[in-house]
Amino acid sequence: QVQLQESGPGLVKPSETLSLTCTVSGGSISSYYWSWIRQPPGKGLEWIGYIYSNGNSNYNPALKSRVTISIDTSKNQFSLNLSSVTAADTAVYYCARRPSGGFFDIWGQGTMVTVSS
Amino acid sequence: DIQMTQSPSSVSASVGDRVTITCRASQGISSWLAWYQQKPGKAPKLLIYYASSLQSGVPSRFSGSGSGTDFTLTISSLQPEDFATYYCQQANSFPPTFGGGTKVEIK
Repeated sequence: QVQLQESGPGLVKPSETLSLTCTVSGGSISSYYWSWIRQPPGKGLEWIGYIYSNGNSNYNPALKSRVTISIDTSKNQFSLNLSSVTAADTAVYYCARRPSGGFFDIWGQGTMVTVSS
Repeated sequence: DIQMTQSPSSVSASVGDRVTITCRASQGISSWLAWYQQKPGKAPKLLIYYASSLQSGVPSRFSGSGSGTDFTLTISSLQPEDFATYYCQQANSFPPTFGGGTKVEIK
């Protein structure tokens, strides 16, 4: 079955860029939307953005100026870059698959990213 | 953005109880609503989509209903493994948004 795994640094300095990668295994990255979602400690879920397998992407307007999501279909991976981070970006970051219905049916286990000097 | 409001924010219940959680959208979303279950330290798990469709592998004690602005998630007979936090999510309008969560605790 399809599995997702996030990877990347667990600690990022303020004003720097947070970079994470999600590796898709057990299936193809093609023909789906792939999303990033985050959850600050003890809080709710916030959708960051998605990318389709053809490279088309869309981002949450609240984060749009700082977010870039890219995809590498040859590696079955997609990535998140979030620039100019502050402590407010400290969260567990999840990657997830979004079928055409707009819901998120498969999630990675999540990776905690702390923004601190 | 469409605001999703869940109630209650927490509920205490016993094994075997019937539990109902409500989610209200700030504007109509037809049936574009999903429910997720999240256990501590784990990723959310999709339970219900299109307001009332049960995701494959999810026990039939979970059910969803509603359309427009008002939705409910019902657990017909609470089991020990159901103690968790539940979130609703709308997929009708961009950007997708989640409710604040309802924590189901042991009474």
